[in-house]
Amino acid sequence: EAGVVQSPRYKIIEKKQPVAFWCNPISGHNTLYWYRQNLGQGPELLIRYENEEAVDDSQLPKDRFSAERLKGVDSTLKIQPAELGDSAVYLCASSSRGERGHTGELFFGEGSRLTVL
Amino acid sequence: AQSVSQHNHHVILSEAASLELGCNYSYGGTVNLFWYVQYPGQHLQLLLKYFSGDPLVKGIKGFEAEFIKSKFSFNLRKPSVQWSDTAEYFCAVRRITGKLIFGQGTTLQVKP
Repeated sequence: EAGVVQSPRYKIIEKKQPVAFWCNPISGHNTLYWYRQNLGQGPELLIRYENEEAVDDSQLPKDRFSAERLKGVDSTLKIQPAELGDSAVYLCASSSRGERGHTGELFFGEGSRLTVL
Repeated sequence: AQSVSQHNHHVILSEAASLELGCNYSYGGTVNLFWYVQYPGQHLQLLLKYFSGDPLVKGIKGFEAEFIKSKFSFNLRKPSVQWSDTAEYFCAVRRITGKLIFGQGTTLQVKP
């Protein structure tokens, strides 16, 4: 079974430039997450999708970040314009809904490491 | 606000030593508890999880964790570590209808 696929793995941009990350979740997983992981810290949730609907985006900096999940499968996360503090690893994860609701087990991609100069 | 605290940021052990990584959380309601591991150059993967039942849960590669409700703790243990256990370990907590919150992580370095 293919895992969560993310691209690009690495991205270096100058500040004020736009950047986009793409995620393909595990087939059949209807919940998709975007996390940001700063150096030396644990992942922090940016946004969670149930199918096409964003059900938790309270931590997403909406002035510069946007995300979409068209057709409830792939998702993109965009930053425009990027700032120096956006340098981090952006993780995508997916999970399926079990009999009692969410299984809670998230399957992570390898992440997209962003460096803003 | 719900928070997850991992007591040790960096742990160095020799092979065959015993391991215990601490994890405490602040939320008082029903929670699901997880330990994730990230080996060098790899993605985060689930080590073990607790939803209900026996508070001592066993995971992959000989790891286990004990949920102590009265102490709001979910410590990770392994009787004898191997060099291949060198990785970063994350404790995570989720309310039944809430998001998964991670601790800041513990880097484990096992010396051969």
